[in-house]
Amino acid sequence: AQSVTQLDSQVPVFEEAPVELRCNYSSSVSVYLFWYVQYPNQGLQLLLKYLSGSTLVESINGFEAEFNKSQTSFHLRKPSVHISDTAEYFCAVTTLPGGKLIFGQGTELSVKP
Amino acid sequence: GAGVSQSPRYKVAKRGQDVALRCDPISGHVSLFWYQQALGQGPEFLTYFQNEAQLDKSGLPSDRFFAERPEGSVSTLKIQRTQQEDSAVYLCASSLAQRQGAQQYFGPGTRLTVT
Repeated sequence: AQSVTQLDSQVPVFEEAPVELRCNYSSSVSVYLFWYVQYPNQGLQLLLKYLSGSTLVESINGFEAEFNKSQTSFHLRKPSVHISDTAEYFCAVTTLPGGKLIFGQGTELSVKP
Repeated sequence: GAGVSQSPRYKVAKRGQDVALRCDPISGHVSLFWYQQALGQGPEFLTYFQNEAQLDKSGLPSDRFFAERPEGSVSTLKIQRTQQEDSAVYLCASSLAQRQGAQQYFGPGTRLTVT
């Protein structure tokens, strides 16, 4: 069975510092990987996804993630965070059939001034 | 265009009551998913529809949980004889395509509190 592990439940960081949110998955078949963000009192929003092709994927607000098949990882990075990046971040993988998402436990990113 | 909407946004039920949670997916979206998100946890899959067909209900925690999508659009998640452990946020998501990897769009969720 597929599973996703987010290694850090909370990540405090100062504004303009770099950040990495770690995600590892287990699967015996090909996977498609996602990062979702959940701002306070809002629904889940897709941040970025890896389906195929280039292993480095980027979002419009400066986040990037790299699919590493050998390490079964899909870590999320940003070189310089803003206060507005404070949110809960979820890593997810799709399974066969149907495309249901298997989520990690979430990482709470807290950006301090 | 409108996104996925869910109603009610908040529901308080006394233990033993039945509840019905509604999801309006994005128009034209074929696939519809329900997830349960307990406090401090990631969402967990409950069930999946492709049009009106319920193709996967492996995540429903008990036979008290029932979901339907009779016309392939609006879906209702019903919980009978609610228990305190049912307290969670229930998320609905829809996607346009049937293929694996299609982006799921999430609604704001319904927060259910069972007292």
